[in-house]
Amino acid sequence: DVKVTQSSRYLVKRTGEKVFLECVQDMDHENMFWYRQDPGLGLRLIYFSYDVKMKEKGDIPEGYSVSREKKERFSLILESASTNQTSMYLCASSKPETQYFGPGTRLLVL
Amino acid sequence: AQSVTQLGSHVSVSEGALVLLRCNYSSSVPPYLFWYVQYPNQGLQLLLKYTTGATLVKGINGFEAEFKKSETSFHLTKPSAHMSDAAEYFCAVTMNSGYSTLTFGKGTMLLVSP
Repeated sequence: DVKVTQSSRYLVKRTGEKVFLECVQDMDHENMFWYRQDPGLGLRLIYFSYDVKMKEKGDIPEGYSVSREKKERFSLILESASTNQTSMYLCASSKPETQYFGPGTRLLVL
Repeated sequence: AQSVTQLGSHVSVSEGALVLLRCNYSSSVPPYLFWYVQYPNQGLQLLLKYTTGATLVKGINGFEAEFKKSETSFHLTKPSAHMSDAAEYFCAVTMNSGYSTLTFGKGTMLLVSP
């Protein structure tokens, strides 16, 4: 079974803090993705990566950055958290076309 | 560009009744289509997918979906709803690019009453 894990299920941060969300997959997948999920808006793609050290912007990259130093790990970084980044964050990996999701991190920014 | 429309943000059925969740897509090339389910405070779980071949695909938990190219639809059905089916369901499409980026619908919450 594919396993995608995320470092935290719940996080509470303060405005202006730097936030790291970590995602690890154990299936040697090339592609990894970060989404945010908000009620009524569905899932929106923030960034994705198709190889180590490679990254591509998704639909809503503003306010976020990513890092992929190893194939199995893809990190999402909020350089200076804001209240409008309060959301559910979902990581996924795929090879080739089917995406498998982690359990999600619910982030609250106060 | 591709897009997905799910008709109805909420669908209510009685236990034992037919479940029908609607999904229409637009894509400039033959699509790959997916249905995912999300239980409260969990990630998305793949229910089923259509890539090529048979247009009627069967998934987990008794769900199935039929790809209808002429109608650009990929509706999800289950003959008899169970209380445990209550969840949010997402339809998604990809153009089968090498990066396999998915475009999701906004989701349909399925409510099952006894």
